[in-house]
Amino acid sequence: DGGITQSPKYLFRKEGQNVTLSCEQNLNHDAMYWYRQDPGQGLRLIYYSQIVNDFQKGDIAEGYSVSREKKESFPLTVTSAQKNPTAFYLCASSISLIGASWFGYTFGSGTRLTVV
Amino acid sequence: GQQVMQIPQYQHVQEGEDFTTYCNSSTTLSNIQWYKQRPGGHPVFLIQLVKSGEVKKQKRLTFQFGEAKKNSSLHITATQTTDVGTYFCANVGGSNDYKLSFGAGTTVTVRA
Repeated sequence: DGGITQSPKYLFRKEGQNVTLSCEQNLNHDAMYWYRQDPGQGLRLIYYSQIVNDFQKGDIAEGYSVSREKKESFPLTVTSAQKNPTAFYLCASSISLIGASWFGYTFGSGTRLTVV
Repeated sequence: GQQVMQIPQYQHVQEGEDFTTYCNSSTTLSNIQWYKQRPGGHPVFLIQLVKSGEVKKQKRLTFQFGEAKKNSSLHITATQTTDVGTYFCANVGGSNDYKLSFGAGTTVTVRA
């Protein structure tokens, strides 16, 4: 079955360490997205990518970095510059950036990051 | 993107009862999408509304887009425990901005 795989499901890191969250999709989707979810605040866009080797900042990009070297993969690095990194991180994809307005997003199962 | 406001933030429902949750905007929306996130899970796409006054049904769920395309509603009849979760509405941003902007969600709990 096609879908999005996020790993790991739970991640614990010490403060000051960088950490990379994995997101892989086999849906042949062009566009991929990273969202952060905090209780009561909905989903906030961190970064998105329309195509390989291209990505754009979302609403809360500070302290995060991404790469898109392959169509299937869109890893997110949470750097030590992110002041409050503990959150639930969701990766999503859509057939294309424009296509999302017709077919919606497919989400991965998420990574719950806890920084201690 | 354009901000959508969802009300109420929390909805506590007796099993078997009906309820409605709303998604409102101060500006005209091109479309509205609805997602459901079960506790501990991830959002799942439910439906999209595009036309003014559009009504779509999925079993006990009825989705409506307002005539002015500034609001949308989700009505659930005969609520079941399987309806527990958070329901998000999302809209595409303005012209040349195709990213989805999500509301804060309505979290539904059901009393058996």
